[in-house]
Amino acid sequence: KAGVTQTPRYLIKTRGQQVTLSCSPISGHRSVSWYQQTPGQGLQFLFEYFSETQRNKGNFPGRFSGRQFSNSRSEMNVSTLELGDSALYLCASSLDLSMGLNYGYTFGSGTRLTVV
Amino acid sequence: ELKVEQNPLFLSMQEGKNYTIYCNYSTTSDRLYWYRQDPGKSLESLFVLLSNGAVKQEGRLMASLDTKARLSTLHITAAVHDLSATYFCAVDAGGADGLTFGKGTHLIIQP
Repeated sequence: KAGVTQTPRYLIKTRGQQVTLSCSPISGHRSVSWYQQTPGQGLQFLFEYFSETQRNKGNFPGRFSGRQFSNSRSEMNVSTLELGDSALYLCASSLDLSMGLNYGYTFGSGTRLTVV
Repeated sequence: ELKVEQNPLFLSMQEGKNYTIYCNYSTTSDRLYWYRQDPGKSLESLFVLLSNGAVKQEGRLMASLDTKARLSTLHITAAVHDLSATYFCAVDAGGADGLTFGKGTHLIIQP
């Protein structure tokens, strides 16, 4: 079966611009989470969506936002980009059985964002 | 705040040797995951550990979970070069913070 698909794979943006990243989860998975990976901070949780609702949010500024559509596809948006936003952004989907209990997360290939 | 500590952070070992990576975490949880990441690639799921005493094995890798000690181990048996990668443990404490990852163990296996 198809895995988690993230687009685009690579992106170069200028400071101050905004960017939208897309994630299509595994068919049947309703939970989508986003993570930022940088050499300095490692892997950090951004937010999680389930059934079009943001269920959890990490400690990131309001410039980072997201949404989930009725087909479970998710987008994240970063406005007013800063150099420090350069990172690998990973999306993960999971089969969320009930009350947030799931049995593993499958990660997409990621979008590597470079802000110049 | 949940803290997840892995050690060692860097490990260079020879083929054929055995070694263990440790993952300690600071709060109650019975859901722990191990991932592998190759350079420039995404995270590949290795093991999902969902209960105290869980032990799973795949090839030369074996993972275990002791929820009372808040400790998971990833044991490598008779290492081969193909296992060279960065290994992450991640804990799901069921709160609002998603998965909390350790800093990763960069493993190099030399012939």
